[in-house]
Amino acid sequence: SQKIEQNSEALNIQEGKTATLTCNYTNYSPAYLQWYRQDPGRGPVFLLLIRENEKEKRKERLKVTFDTTLKQSLFHITASQPADSATYLCALDSGGYQKVTFGTGTKLQVIP
Amino acid sequence: KAGVTQTPRYLIKTRGQQVTLSCSPISGHRSVSWYQQTPGQGLQFLFEYFSETQRNKGNFPGRFSGRQFSNSRSEMNVSTLELGDSALYLCASSLRGQGHEQYFGPGTRLTVT
Repeated sequence: SQKIEQNSEALNIQEGKTATLTCNYTNYSPAYLQWYRQDPGRGPVFLLLIRENEKEKRKERLKVTFDTTLKQSLFHITASQPADSATYLCALDSGGYQKVTFGTGTKLQVIP
Repeated sequence: KAGVTQTPRYLIKTRGQQVTLSCSPISGHRSVSWYQQTPGQGLQFLFEYFSETQRNKGNFPGRFSGRQFSNSRSEMNVSTLELGDSALYLCASSLRGQGHEQYFGPGTRLTVT
């Protein structure tokens, strides 16, 4: 069956360090993979989208990699700040009119 | 540009009742998707509408239905409410559809008693 797993429910890191979040999937062939940030009581906010033919994408302190052989995406936040504390969700889409499926999220806590 | 708006923000209903939630997408966006979010199941896709047509549907019972109007505003209806329908209902709008950048509204918190 199809499955999306985000490495852990919670991740604590020290301010200034790089946070690395993992999204693994099975039985999907996604054309796109997206990352969202969600703060408590609010809707998710789009961060980055990476296509299957792209290996890496960057936006300011954020970097996403996409390895279709390993069926894995890594999401990095460099020089992390307490304001980066939130839940991060990955989402897969198989292209065309296929529905988008979200992972359960990783709650990141950046400790000052 | 105004963001995605959802009304009402909070709702309390009793079992057996029905409820209608509303979503106004970002101007110019023709795709509206609905999601249910619960602590146990995470964010689950309900359906997507694009230019008034349902384009995709998730694995929810027929009690969950939706529609989209010519101005792209969308409504979601849940009939015969059950306790398990208590959740945060989110809508997201997109210029090109679900597989692209989606903008989420703040959600409607539905509590069924």
